[in-house]
Amino acid sequence: GENVEQHPSTLSVQEGDSAVIKCTYSDSASNYFPWYKQELGKRPQLIIDIRSNVGEKKDQRIAVTLNKTAKHFSLHITETQPEDSAVYFCAASKSASGGSYIPTFGRGTSLIVHP
Amino acid sequence: DAGVIQSPRHEVTEMGQEVTLRCKPISGHNSLFWYRQTMMRGLELLIYFNNNVPIDDSGMPEDRFSAKMPNASFSTLKIQPSEPRDSAVYFCASSLAWASGSSYEQYFGPGTRLTVT
Repeated sequence: GENVEQHPSTLSVQEGDSAVIKCTYSDSASNYFPWYKQELGKRPQLIIDIRSNVGEKKDQRIAVTLNKTAKHFSLHITETQPEDSAVYFCAASKSASGGSYIPTFGRGTSLIVHP
Repeated sequence: DAGVIQSPRHEVTEMGQEVTLRCKPISGHNSLFWYRQTMMRGLELLIYFNNNVPIDDSGMPEDRFSAKMPNASFSTLKIQPSEPRDSAVYFCASSLAWASGSSYEQYFGPGTRLTVT
């Protein structure tokens, strides 16, 4: 099955700095890569995603890059703010019976943004 | 839409008791997923349904776990008998799988925090 490795497990930055979280996956059939943000005690929520036919996607201060050949993808957050502090999960997904995409999640990165 | 609804939000029970977690997916969504989240193992997919039919339950840890989806608006995850190692946050998520395409975003419920003593 799919195996997703996520690094680092903890990331501490100063407000205004950039943050980068990296993930690798093993199954070349994976073709959809969402990123979820989970604040303390809350539910995971999708913040950005990328499909395998795209190398980069950007939404305001966040961007995701994908290298299919190397099987790795990354989340970039620029101009970090204290409210960006949360746990971020990457996932590698492939389509399954019935048309759903089934994700395998990384272990998460705890991002701490110091004011 | 109220989003995915889960109940109860918190459950404390004694080892050996039966536990039933409930989920109402977003109206119109036809895929439903049950996850378990722990510090040790992260976010694990237990089972998912498509059009109320269980598709893959390979993530269900043991026979003590069972899940049902009797209709499009309701699902249960049952643990019988419960054990302390079942303590975790259990999330339900739903998404829309198109007949001619594939779904993407999963919408998570608020979770049920289960503590088994």
